Amino acid sequence: SQTIHQWPATLVQPVGSPLSLECTVEGTSNPNLYWYRQAAGRGLQLLFYSVGIGQISSEVPQNLSASRPQDRQFILSSKKLLLSDSGFYLCAWSPTGGGQPQHFGDGTRLSIL
Amino acid sequence: AQSVTQPDIHITVSEGASLELRCNYSYGATPYLFWYVQSPGQGLQLLLKYFSGDTLVQGIKGFEAEFKRSQSSFNLRKPSVHWSDAAEYFCAVITYSGYALNFGKGTSLLVTP
Repeated sequence: SQTIHQWPATLVQPVGSPLSLECTVEGTSNPNLYWYRQAAGRGLQLLFYSVGIGQISSEVPQNLSASRPQDRQFILSSKKLLLSDSGFYLCAWSPTGGGQPQHFGDGTRLSIL
Repeated sequence: AQSVTQPDIHITVSEGASLELRCNYSYGATPYLFWYVQSPGQGLQLLLKYFSGDTLVQGIKGFEAEFKRSQSSFNLRKPSVHWSDAAEYFCAVITYSGYALNFGKGTSLLVTP
């Protein structure tokens, strides 16, 4: 069966520091991969998705970037964090192709001080 | 514009009572439809999905949902709620070829003894 791992679970970072959140998927090949952000009391906002190695689509302009160095690895990064980057970050995967259900990791709670 | 609406921000039900959570969508064509559940501090778990066919779909944890094309609705139901069902529920839609899930803002369910 497929599993998705996301770490760290919680992270406290100072403003201006870099960020790297990692997500890996097991038990499937060539998945679509996604990064979402969930702000307190709000719904989920898609940040990036990837349909293959090195292929990244950005949904909103922001201070963050994503990379997919391996088939089942998806990384969310920032060079200098802002206070507004605080939130709950969720990684998800879906089978290859469009219109597929997505399966989520347990999330990373990011607090910027 | 494409949208997903969950009209109820909060719902309170007594344990053992029936539950219905509402979801309405506005899309050019019938999208694929999903319901997810999120416990506090956790990721999202897929409850059920509708692609086509029978308009009443069964999911995990005793949930079901009914797709009504004429009303552009996909309401989630459960005949008897358990205290462990207290969580945030999200309706989500995607086009058949799309990669971005469009989420409603969520409904927070409180279960009272």
